[in-house]
Amino acid sequence: EVDLVESGGGLVQPGGSLRLSCAASGFTFSSQWMHWVRQVSGQGLEWVSRINSDGTSTDYADSVKGRFSISRDNAKNTLYLEMNSLRVDDTAVYYCVTTFCGGDCYFEDWGQGTLVTVSS
Amino acid sequence: DIQMTQSPSTLSASVGDRVTITCRASQSISSWLAWYQQKPGKAPKLLIYKASNLEFGVPSRFSGSGSETEFTLTISSLQPDDSATYYCQQYSSFYSALTFGGGTKVEIK
Repeated sequence: EVDLVESGGGLVQPGGSLRLSCAASGFTFSSQWMHWVRQVSGQGLEWVSRINSDGTSTDYADSVKGRFSISRDNAKNTLYLEMNSLRVDDTAVYYCVTTFCGGDCYFEDWGQGTLVTVSS
Repeated sequence: DIQMTQSPSTLSASVGDRVTITCRASQSISSWLAWYQQKPGKAPKLLIYKASNLEFGVPSRFSGSGSETEFTLTISSLQPDDSATYYCQQYSSFYSALTFGGGTKVEIK
């Protein structure tokens, strides 16, 4: 059974940084694309970033480009999201998600999410 | 950028009713569309992929149809457990970003 467990969320001031982690198990992590999707409380879903299986290809939503960086450690079955220059509108629950049909795919399995709050 | 527009934003229906949610893409996405169900405090759950394919384990009262720019999610006989927010998502490789619709909240009368 696929299990995705996010961690690293919390309260940070505007302009600050935070690194999210996602521990994956129950599937061959090193073979799958991974994504981050976020959701502002009471609002809709927004795709944030994706990374291919060996970490050589990444993409970002325009809203986070240049500020966020996605990476992975296949030896540790862990996905990361480094978030810099955080803004109030980055406040959201961040989900780690996997797809099993490539980078342009539907989202098969989701973590429980980790809350990031950007506030002074 | 491609935009995904869902309608209605909320709907209220009775148990046993047939319910239809529409999702429109601003440009053609062929059949690269998925539907999700999300309950409060939970992560979204995949219901339908490639416009009309039912995910394993999803009740058969859920169905999807459409192509190019117009898609529908139908619940043939609404059940109490179906109270949730539903999202569509395009995943065409022609566009650089994966995009969700704004969501449709389904309430039971």
